[in-house]
Amino acid sequence: DAGITQSPRHKVTETGTPVTLRCHQTENHRYMYWYRQDPGHGLRLIHYSYGVKDTDKGEVSDGYSVSRSKTEDFLLTLESATSSQTSVYFCAISEGWGEQYFGPGTRLTVT
Amino acid sequence: AQSVTQLDSQVPVFEEAPVELRCNYSSSVSVYLFWYVQYPNQGLQLLLKYLSGSTLVKGINGFEAEFNKSQTSFHLRKPSVHISDTAEYFCAVATRGGSEKLVFGKGTKLTVNP
Repeated sequence: DAGITQSPRHKVTETGTPVTLRCHQTENHRYMYWYRQDPGHGLRLIHYSYGVKDTDKGEVSDGYSVSRSKTEDFLLTLESATSSQTSVYFCAISEGWGEQYFGPGTRLTVT
Repeated sequence: AQSVTQLDSQVPVFEEAPVELRCNYSSSVSVYLFWYVQYPNQGLQLLLKYLSGSTLVKGINGFEAEFNKSQTSFHLRKPSVHISDTAEYFCAVATRGGSEKLVFGKGTKLTVNP
């Protein structure tokens, strides 16, 4: 398995609080991604990074921000969590050619 | 922009039966195609990929898929399924030359019954 971890693995938080999810890789891959997975929607891209401090928006980026200050870490922040952000969040890494390796996921519940 | 349609949201089959999971894509440019599998409470893992060359692609666990450019399809097949193949399967597309992003279908839940 690709060396990719996510933390925390589970989190329950209240509406309006900030939340940061961390993705850490040991593969030195250039690209990193954050997806959310919801029933009936498959995986939807939130943000991605193509290098340190280089990030771009995906299709569902509203309410989320990201940062990548080191190759190995990609942080996803919910500035003010809402119930609609209850989801399972997956990080992925890639060296391109479309082949991505996924982390184990973070289950976030916003009450 | 690309899009992916997985025609069946759920597919129940009996053990040792053949299965086909259907995937159609839409793109104005050439693409790479992928199938990923997600076992319960796990992340996704790559099952197989089509980048170029032979249109019949073989993957892990006995799965194969055929790229059909004229029908814009990339259906996944297995001649004989096992209980352990129960999982959700996702078809995905990436643009050649811009392949740092994947677009996923909504998934097909395969349930293999004894």
